[in-house]
Amino acid sequence: QVQLVQSGAEVKKPGSSVKVSCKASGGTFSSYAISWVRQAPGQGLEWMGGIIPIFGTANYAQKFQGRVTITADESTSTAYMELSSLRSEDTAVYYCARDRRALTTLDAFDIWGQGTMVTVSS
Amino acid sequence: DIVMTQTPLSSPVTLGQPASISCRSSQSLVHSDGNTYLSWLQQRPGQPPRLLIYKISNRFSGVPDRFSGSGAGTDFTLKISRVEAEDVGVYYCMQATQFPPTFGQGTKVEIK
Repeated sequence: QVQLVQSGAEVKKPGSSVKVSCKASGGTFSSYAISWVRQAPGQGLEWMGGIIPIFGTANYAQKFQGRVTITADESTSTAYMELSSLRSEDTAVYYCARDRRALTTLDAFDIWGQGTMVTVSS
Repeated sequence: DIVMTQTPLSSPVTLGQPASISCRSSQSLVHSDGNTYLSWLQQRPGQPPRLLIYKISNRFSGVPDRFSGSGAGTDFTLKISRVEAEDVGVYYCMQATQFPPTFGQGTKVEIK
């Protein structure tokens, strides 16, 4: 059974960057899209972008274009999300999630990481 | 972006009674491949979301059969036939038909 394990909580200053990791274990990694979804405190879910590791090209929501970079390392079955120019509004739990189907358009997110709390505060 | 609108935003339910959540999209969710990529997620307090239903009406592995999904085009419904205590949480619809994927604002299910 595939599991996604994310890196630990982060506290960052405004204007800095954060890089969150998402390591897959127990199954195939490279063929399935990994998305990053964030959730501000008490708020809903927001898709930021995603990548299919075997293809290596990431797609981003327009809102985050230029500020987010999503990468994947097939050798370690790990995906990364780096968000730069952090502001207080980026305080949120960041989740990685795997798509249900391999090597195709997005369908539904069947496996989720446990979430990483990122706090942006001066 | 496709806007997903859920109603109600809050649903107090008596244990053992049914619950229903509606999700409406601003555009048709029928993909060019003929599929409709509408899914439902459950988020229990303090937990990551969990997939319940995909492609409108397909229950994901391990999901109890009291959960069912229906709908077509722009109107979709999640039903819980008999609410149990473990069903408390926030439910989200999500579309992946059109880029970018978008979520409804969430419906909180709580016990009366």
